[in-house]
Amino acid sequence: EPEVTQTPSHQVTQMGQEVILRCVPISNHLYFYWYRQILGQKVEFLVSFYNNEISEKSEIFDDQFSVERPDGSNFTLKIRSTKLEDSAMYFCASGIGTGGVGYGYTFGSGTRLTVV
Amino acid sequence: AQTVTQSQPEMSVQEAETVTLSCTYDTSESDYYLFWYKQPPSRQMILVIRQEAYKQQNATENRFSVNFQKAAKSFSLKISDSQLGDAAMYFCAYRSAGDKIIFGKGTRLHILP
Repeated sequence: EPEVTQTPSHQVTQMGQEVILRCVPISNHLYFYWYRQILGQKVEFLVSFYNNEISEKSEIFDDQFSVERPDGSNFTLKIRSTKLEDSAMYFCASGIGTGGVGYGYTFGSGTRLTVV
Repeated sequence: AQTVTQSQPEMSVQEAETVTLSCTYDTSESDYYLFWYKQPPSRQMILVIRQEAYKQQNATENRFSVNFQKAAKSFSLKISDSQLGDAAMYFCAYRSAGDKIIFGKGTRLHILP
């Protein structure tokens, strides 16, 4: 069964450093998403991406965050200057499109980001 | 704005018994989709079951079924013949025709051997 692949599975970074989280969505999917989950809390929407641009973003997704699909297969989330409160599990997801909205998304297995 | 509420932070059930997890939601939309996701200790998000709001028939996937009450905006998950591998965090989720999925805070399910 097709999978969404995220790398790395765990990343530790110093506060103030830039970090890039990588995702390879399912190949025929058109919609891409980032969510995050602070330990013990609910899963929160960050951003959705379609047709090479952001289609929706939450208030969490401030100027420190950016997304990119650099080569047609990878989908990345960059945090420019990490803060302690950015420590969380970050999930990438992809979806087939509005025609398949009833199918939800396929989530990756997540990247655990620890900011020290 | 749409909201999803799971009022049971934790639940326990004896192995082989049946358990029901509750979920309510609030929306002014008429066309939407509801999901239950499972998050085991590995923390991967796994889709368990989905329901289209326009369908009156409750969705069923093997031991998992839902009780969808559209007027009451209620979407509970029933797990029959509970197994040790069902132990996980369960998230109820909502999606309209727009993009994002909105999650509830989750219910942690313990299976007692």
